Amino acid sequence: KAGVTQTPRYLIKTRGQQVTLSCSPISGHRSVSWYQQTPGQGLQFLFEYFSETQRNKGNFPGRFSGRQFSNSRSEMNVSTLELGDSALYLCASSLTPRTGGNSNQPQHFGDGTRLSIL
Amino acid sequence: QKEVEQNSGPLSVPEGAIASLNCTYSDRGSQSFFWYRQYSGKSPELIMSIYSNGDKEDGRFTAQLNKASQYVSLLIRDSQPSDSATYLCAVNIRGGGADGLTFGKGTHLIIQP
Repeated sequence: KAGVTQTPRYLIKTRGQQVTLSCSPISGHRSVSWYQQTPGQGLQFLFEYFSETQRNKGNFPGRFSGRQFSNSRSEMNVSTLELGDSALYLCASSLTPRTGGNSNQPQHFGDGTRLSIL
Repeated sequence: QKEVEQNSGPLSVPEGAIASLNCTYSDRGSQSFFWYRQYSGKSPELIMSIYSNGDKEDGRFTAQLNKASQYVSLLIRDSQPSDSATYLCAVNIRGGGADGLTFGKGTHLIIQP
């Protein structure tokens, strides 16, 4: 069974540009969550999509947005890139939503996209 | 504020010894608990899940859960240098601004040969 696939693996951008990251979940998984990971802050939740709807959003500015398609694939977009956006962006999928009380399904992570802003 | 707390370490353990990693959480009603291992430069990998009080063993790994004390731990027996990694505790937290599966910042484990 194929795992979570993220593309691209590496990206180099300059300040002010925008970027789109892609995530294909494990087959059958309808929940896709996005995280930003930096050395000092750990894993920080960006947002979650389930059945093409955003279920929850973390504490990030509106420059960070996402969407989910009918085949559960998800994209994340960051506009007007800043130096502080340099990070590892991780996508995770699960059978049930991340949010909503007592979900007992774990999340499975892709290899991530390492974004560097020059 | 709903939280998951871990000691960041580094925790240094000699090869062959037992490594003990601890995690506390704030939501008394949490029902699902997970441990992930993350090697440097890689993504987190699920290694254990636990839902009931007590111990759950899988090979050299044992997860321990005490809901009354809001405490979950991971024991690694016969530690190997390949166990050197950051271990993330994840707890399903209810309520709050961004509820759901919440990760601690991780404990950096070093196994000394």
